Amino acid sequence: DIQMTQSPSALSASVGDRVTITCRASQSISIYLNWYQQKPGKAPKLLIYDASTLQSGVPSRFSGSGSGTDFTLTISSLQPEDFATYYCHQSYSSDTFGGGTKVEIK
Amino acid sequence: EVQLVESGGGLVQPGGPLRLSCAASGFTFSNYAMSWVRQAPGKGLEWVSAISGSGGSTYYADSVKGRFTISRDNSKNTLYLQMNSLRAEDTAVYYCAKTSIPSPYSGYFDYWGQGTLVTVSS
Repeated sequence: DIQMTQSPSALSASVGDRVTITCRASQSISIYLNWYQQKPGKAPKLLIYDASTLQSGVPSRFSGSGSGTDFTLTISSLQPEDFATYYCHQSYSSDTFGGGTKVEIK
Repeated sequence: EVQLVESGGGLVQPGGPLRLSCAASGFTFSNYAMSWVRQAPGKGLEWVSAISGSGGSTYYADSVKGRFTISRDNSKNTLYLQMNSLRAEDTAVYYCAKTSIPSPYSGYFDYWGQGTLVTVSS
């Protein structure tokens, strides 16, 4: 199985900060990498698919990049509603998720 | 509006069976693959199983292979997960998720249900 390693597992940031989360695959997954946001007690929400395509309705402060094994989710200016846990997900082979990154208020 | 509503969760004894359902609406159900994803209390997301739009292709995580069976009834717009030989480690919120394409491979989960809690305990 393909292992997805997210880092950091948690971070503290302030409103307005630029935040970067990385996800590394144990083997190449082309661009079959997706990002989700999850708030406590809620279902995950799709943010980015195919590594860099913004899902309809998602604010443009979210962006994704990468291909092969290394991927990045960037929030350009953190907003109060962005404090949540973020997961990467590979769908190249036998889907797997990263361990999650919890974004907390500093 | 796409809606996915799971049901069937509850408390079950170790070794017992349980069947989850996911009622879909707001899209042409048979045109899309569907998946089940679970989340143990306080833990991350784990993909469990997927099925093609036609129902002809299925696949499973190693952790549930041989114990869980995914199926769908396209005439009823409903997805199922039959869970047998349940273990304590299967305790989780189970989400159904719509895949972006008819194939269960290489898509992304664009809509999710609210989840149903399965607790395996004596």
